[in-house]
Amino acid sequence: ELKVEQNPLFLSMQEGKNYTIYCNYSTTSDRLYWYRQDPGKSLESLFVLLSNGAVKQEGRLMASLDTKARLSTLHITAAVHDLSATYFCAVESSFGNEKLTFGTGTRLTIIP
Amino acid sequence: EAQVTQNPRYLITVTGKKLTVTCSQNMNHEYMSWYRQDPGLGLRQIYYSMNVEVTDKGDVPEGYKVSRKEKRNFPLILESPSPNQTSLYFCASSTGLVLRNNEQFFGPGTRLTVL
Repeated sequence: ELKVEQNPLFLSMQEGKNYTIYCNYSTTSDRLYWYRQDPGKSLESLFVLLSNGAVKQEGRLMASLDTKARLSTLHITAAVHDLSATYFCAVESSFGNEKLTFGTGTRLTIIP
Repeated sequence: EAQVTQNPRYLITVTGKKLTVTCSQNMNHEYMSWYRQDPGLGLRQIYYSMNVEVTDKGDVPEGYKVSRKEKRNFPLILESPSPNQTSLYFCASSTGLVLRNNEQFFGPGTRLTVL
């Protein structure tokens, strides 16, 4: 059974600081997705990482994937208040059964 | 506008009263999926469908049914709802037969309370 763990679960950080959210998963996969959810809202796709070593960046967010370590990171650079949200990673089993397993989410709060 | 719609957005019902949550997408997506979101548990997949008349169980299918008679619609049916099905439900869709190369688009969510 594929398990996906994120840490930290809660993160409070000051504006302007850098931080990293980690996503570990338990079985082989080379497909990983990051989503953002604002309070009371739906999920918004941020990044799709499709191979080992994949790195994608948009604005102050950068995501990477290391399939050998079964680890993805979401790095936040010089945080700003509007990045406050809950961030989820989701991993697709590599056995082609089209199933996604989500992490429990990291609730990020940026303090002015 | 490309979107996934769900109805109703909010529903309060009683144990045992059958209900259906509708999901529709206008992007001609082949893949559709239902998730439930509970505090501390993230999103868990209930059912998914790779195409018309093709559905399969996710991680938490018990107590739910789905059908995919048309490409655009993927309703979630609770034949006899129970309080443990109180949750926030999301429908999602993605393009192509294979999920792996494509991001999913999520609906706005349906908050269900079963008394």
